[in-house]
Amino acid sequence: EAGVVQSPRYKIIEKKQPVAFWCNPISGHNTLYWYLQNLGQGPELLIRYENEEAVDDSQLPKDRFSAERLKGVDSTLKIQPAELGDSAVYLCASSLTSYNEQFFGPGTRLTVL
Amino acid sequence: KQEVTQIPAALSVPEGENLVLNCSFTDSAIYNLQWFRQDPGKGLTSLLLIQSSQREQTSGRLNASLDKSSGRSTLYIAASQPGDSATYLCAVKGLYSGGGADGLTFGKGTHLIIQP
Repeated sequence: EAGVVQSPRYKIIEKKQPVAFWCNPISGHNTLYWYLQNLGQGPELLIRYENEEAVDDSQLPKDRFSAERLKGVDSTLKIQPAELGDSAVYLCASSLTSYNEQFFGPGTRLTVL
Repeated sequence: KQEVTQIPAALSVPEGENLVLNCSFTDSAIYNLQWFRQDPGKGLTSLLLIQSSQREQTSGRLNASLDKSSGRSTLYIAASQPGDSATYLCAVKGLYSGGGADGLTFGKGTHLIIQP
């Protein structure tokens, strides 16, 4: 069974440029999460989706970050414009429901120059 | 707001030793607790999930315990091997939703090195 797929694995951009990350969750998983992980820290939740509905986006900086999960499967996280402080690893996770075990993708490592 | 602390932050032991990693959380209103390992430059691999009603879970050489009332969990690794070297993260799922609490709340992890 395929795990959570993310792309790209690495991205280097200059500040003020836009960037997008893509996630394909495990088949059949209704709940999808985006987390941010800074160096030496544990991941922190950005947004949770139940199918195509964003049910908790309170930690998402909405002035520059946006996310969507069309058709309740794949999801895209976008930053526009990127700032130096956005350099981090962006992790996608999915679970059968919000109370089941979460499975993580390999992450996208973003470097903003 | 839930806070998760992991002790020690780093640990280096010779191969073959049994070891214990500690995790504490401030709010006992949790639904479950998950232990992960993270290899350098990689995502998180789920090791064990303990529901709040459970006391422990076992998988191979790994055993995780949960004392919800005291806000503590331990991960026991038996007969450690060099391949166990990684960062181990503890995370809790709260009972209540919203306000950023819908996901897992993570500790900073324990960086483990097993010397051959």
